[in-house]
Amino acid sequence: GNSVTQMEGPVTLSEEAFLTINCTYTATGYPSLFWYVQYPGEGLQLLLKATKADDKGSNKGFEATYRKETTSFHLEKGSVQVSDSAVYFCALWSGGSARQLTFGSGTQLTVLP
Amino acid sequence: NAGVTQTPKFRILKIGQSMTLQCTQDMNHNYMYWYRQDPGMGLKLIYYSVGAGITDKGEVPNGYNVSRSTTEDFPLRLELAAPSQTSVYFCASSNPQGSGANVLTFGAGSRLTVL
Repeated sequence: GNSVTQMEGPVTLSEEAFLTINCTYTATGYPSLFWYVQYPGEGLQLLLKATKADDKGSNKGFEATYRKETTSFHLEKGSVQVSDSAVYFCALWSGGSARQLTFGSGTQLTVLP
Repeated sequence: NAGVTQTPKFRILKIGQSMTLQCTQDMNHNYMYWYRQDPGMGLKLIYYSVGAGITDKGEVPNGYNVSRSTTEDFPLRLELAAPSQTSVYFCASSNPQGSGANVLTFGAGSRLTVL
């Protein structure tokens, strides 16, 4: 079946540091890949997505590239801010049935001033 | 534009009680979902619906029931609450086609504690 493995947290960085959160996946076919972000006390919201191999999703300074050869979709940001503190979820959609959205376990990021 | 609205935000139940978590969306999305999120864990799908009158089980349906009488509403019913159902519940919706295909819009969550 499908699965998503995320880098274990929590991750603590100083403001303006470089961020990488690793995400690898196992899926049949050609899944779409997503990063969702959950700010404290809120629901998840889409951060970025990529629908085919070599696509790069980007939003709010975050980027992730769909790497089919390494089955990865690592999240990166060059300079984090305190306001980026949140939980980040990697997810995949393998098409077909509506139930085929699979989430990773989430990575808690704390950015210190 | 309200998006996905869940009520209540917080609730404490005693073991054996029943309750309904309400979810409504105003985006005319066909697909709706209920997830639960346990501490340090990802989201697990409880039930989903692809349209009014159609529902199906997700990964962890036991102890829950749903109905979908309208496109907008997708309530989740807990019968005979148990401590294992203590969790944060998220409702979400999406459309299967278009530029936002398969992108879920989530509600703010309902935190349920069963004592």
